[in-house]
Amino acid sequence: QKEVEQDPGPLSVPEGAIVSLNCTYSNSAFQYFMWYRQYSRKGPELLMYTYSSGNKEDGRFTAQVDKSSKYISLFIRDSQPSDSATYLCGAGGTSYGKLTFGQGTILTVHP
Amino acid sequence: SQTIHQWPATLVQPVGSPLSLECTVEGTSNPNLYWYRQAAGRGLQLLFYSVGIGQISSEVPQNLSASRPQDRQFILSSKKLLLSDSGFYLCAFGTQYFGPGTRLTVL
Repeated sequence: QKEVEQDPGPLSVPEGAIVSLNCTYSNSAFQYFMWYRQYSRKGPELLMYTYSSGNKEDGRFTAQVDKSSKYISLFIRDSQPSDSATYLCGAGGTSYGKLTFGQGTILTVHP
Repeated sequence: SQTIHQWPATLVQPVGSPLSLECTVEGTSNPNLYWYRQAAGRGLQLLFYSVGIGQISSEVPQNLSASRPQDRQFILSSKKLLLSDSGFYLCAFGTQYFGPGTRLTVL
C-alpha cells in the first residue's frame, strides 16, 4: 500500500463548477499536508499547506484535512480554464522536510 | 526571493552514457535540497536529500548518485544510464519551491 493515495482522475468539468480533489494517507507520522499545481512540463507550485485537521481557505481554494480518517481534500470553487493542470497532494513531517506524494490528478476545466 | 535553477531543461541520452544534472538556488543559505523524479503520469518520488555541504541521504537504491559540493548547488549523477532512468527530474528547496525540471529521455 502506498503511503499517499490520490484519486487518479482524470477529471473534466465545465467552467464554474466546484472541483473536489482527494487523497488518503496511511502514515500516522505525517504532520503537514500540501497541495501543488503542476502545469504541463513545468515544476509544481505550492497552492496550500495545512498542519491541522479542519479547513483552510485561500481565495477560491479550500484545503481540508481529517486526521482521524487520514483524508485530505482540495476544493476549487468557480473553476476556470486556467485551473487545468495536474494537482498533487503531498504529506510530510517525518523528518528533514521530506515529502511523500500521491500520483496526481489531471484536471481539465472546459469553457 | 528564492529561485531555483536547473539545467539542462531537456536531455536525450543513450543507454550506458553518464549523466550530470545541476541545480542551484538563490536567495537563501544552507537550504535543505531535494531531488525528485516524476515518471509519466505519476507522482513525485524522492530520490535524495541534503541538509548541508557534503551531506547526502538516499531514499531509493538505484543507479543514481547525488552530491552537494557547495551550499547552494546540488548535482544528480549517474555513471551509466538505464532506460528506467527516463523521467522528469525536479530539484526542490524545502517544501515550497520547485525548480523548472529536467526532462530526461534515455534511448
